[in-house]
Formats: sequence, structure tokens, C-alpha cells
Amino acid sequence: GAVVSQHPSWVICKSGTSVKIECRSLDFQATTMFWYRQFPKQSLMLMATSNEGSKATYEQGVEKDKFLINHASLTLSTLTVTSAHPEDSSFYICSARDIEGYSYEQYFGPGTRLTVT
Amino acid sequence: RKEVEQDPGPFNVPEGATVAFNCTYSNSASQSFFWYRQDCRKEPKLLMSVYSSGNEDGRFTAQLNRASQYISLLIRDSKLSDSATYLCVVISASKIIFGSGTRLSIRP
Repeated sequence: GAVVSQHPSWVICKSGTSVKIECRSLDFQATTMFWYRQFPKQSLMLMATSNEGSKATYEQGVEKDKFLINHASLTLSTLTVTSAHPEDSSFYICSARDIEGYSYEQYFGPGTRLTVT
Repeated sequence: RKEVEQDPGPFNVPEGATVAFNCTYSNSASQSFFWYRQDCRKEPKLLMSVYSSGNEDGRFTAQLNRASQYISLLIRDSKLSDSATYLCVVISASKIIFGSGTRLSIRP
């Protein structure tokens, strides 16, 4: 089955620093990847849609200058949380859709738990 | 009104019981529907797609009611391992919307 990896799986950083999270599709190609954020006991909230070779599309209320997304290849998208603050502490999950897929099924990465101190 | 709504639960049922929960959606033009399962601190995993004709996978049955704009998930003969949060996902014009999830706890 389709596998999506994320790295790192967890990270602790100091306030004001930047953190980069990688999302890779391991056995398929994905023109579109999605970045979600999930706070405790809440549902996934779509942050942005990452399109290979073009700019990401951000959801309302998500600062594009704070959450930098780069989708340089069909198997890799990165999310950089710039100048992180404690309120950015969350579970960040990416997902990808197979380029060959005819449905909207998504394959999720294992998530990255970010703690900003 | 939220685009996708779920009863947050928690549903606490004994092992072996049958449990069902619904998810309503507001956009009548929604195209695709899924149920995902999410264990604590883990990523969501696809449980099943929901087709207009309904579909069944073992103990799980998913149905779509377009007229009333809801999807349902039925779990028969529930197991302890079914304890999780169940998320409904609705796709509308390529926009992916997650429900807030229904927590299910199966007790021995």
C-alpha cells in the first residue's frame, strides 16, 4: 500500500527558532500533498494544499509567511514553521494523493509532534 | 452551521455490542465520503470509502443518504480494538473537510 513518511516524528524547539518538517511519499508520486494541524482532542484542520512545482494554497487564517511550504518534487513536500511560538505546539500531519489514483483517498504520514518551549 | 458535523461522543459500549454513528454534511454537491479511524496520538487511517449503494467490510457497514445529507458507520460485534476516534471526511469541489470525530470506547 501507499506509504507516506514524515520526519522528524517529534521535535522540541525554543521559541523564535524555525523548524522544518518533511513529508515524503515512499512508493508513489504525489502532485498534491496536504498539511494538517491537530490540537489535542480536536479534529484535523487543513492548513494548506501543497502543489508540486507551484505555490501552496493556504486556508483562511493560516499565515503563509509563518508556515512556509515547498513541494519541489513529486515525492517531497516540506513545511517550515518560522519563528515558532508556544502556541504553534501541535501535531502536524501531512497527507498525499497518488498521482495515478482515481479517487480522493489520502494516505497520511505518521505525524510530527512539535513542542515549542 | 459547520460543513461537516459529528456527534463527539464518547460512545461507551460493551464488547460485542453494535454501535452506529452519523455524520452530516451541508454541501449537497459533495462528491466523495470516507470514514477514517484515528488512534490516540497517531495519524488517521482509512477505514472505508462510502458509496451511494452502501458498502460492507466485515463487521463495518457504511451508508450514504444523499437526500438527508448524512453518512453512517455501523460496527457490529464490537471488539476492544475498535476503541478509537472515527472521523468522517467529505470531499466537496476538491476541498477536503474532516469531521471533528466521534470517540468510541469499547469496554470488556
